[in-house]
Amino acid sequence: GAVVSQHPSRVICKSGTSVKIECRSLDFQATTMFWYRQFPKKSLMLMATSNEGSKATYEQGVEKDKFLINHASLTLSTLTVTSAHPEDSSFYICSARDIAGDTGELFFGEGSRLTVL
Amino acid sequence: GQNIDQPTEMTATEGAIVQINCTYQTSGFNGLFWYQQHAGEAPTFLSYNVLDGLEEKGRFSSFLSRSKGYSYLLLKELQMKDSASYLCAPWDSNYQLIWGAGTKLIIKP
Repeated sequence: GAVVSQHPSRVICKSGTSVKIECRSLDFQATTMFWYRQFPKKSLMLMATSNEGSKATYEQGVEKDKFLINHASLTLSTLTVTSAHPEDSSFYICSARDIAGDTGELFFGEGSRLTVL
Repeated sequence: GQNIDQPTEMTATEGAIVQINCTYQTSGFNGLFWYQQHAGEAPTFLSYNVLDGLEEKGRFSSFLSRSKGYSYLLLKELQMKDSASYLCAPWDSNYQLIWGAGTKLIIKP
């Protein structure tokens, strides 16, 4: 099946610094990638939809200047958490949809656990 | 509004069968996904239903009734590794996945 690679899987940073998370589709092209945030024992929360070659679409309540998304190619989207604070500590997951697929199945990355000290 | 309703937690015995129900209300409908998520990991795809009826895939089966806004995931011959959360996620008219909180399934020996 299709593979989505997310990096880093774990990152610890100091408050005030910025952290970049990469999401790559390894064996398929994805015009659209999705970024989620998940708190412990909670549902996935869609943060934004990343569109190749254009600006991301952010969900209500998500600060676009705080969570910068770049989708520069059909296989790579990045999420940058700027000026991170302890409340940004969470599990961030990306997913991608194979543009050639017929079910629209989403393929998920492994997730990135961010801890801000 | 859009809403997903699944039991919060279920417990079953190894080797048994369990059915996880999901009712949903969405703005339009383009199918429904079931995902499995182990603690601390990303979800993995289990099934996709767009037509009414039962889809069988090995030990897992998924059922959909569009008129009732209802789906279930059936797991047979339960194994300890099946202990996980199971997420029901319908696709709305904008092809947006609507996520519920999931059902935590605990398997006991």
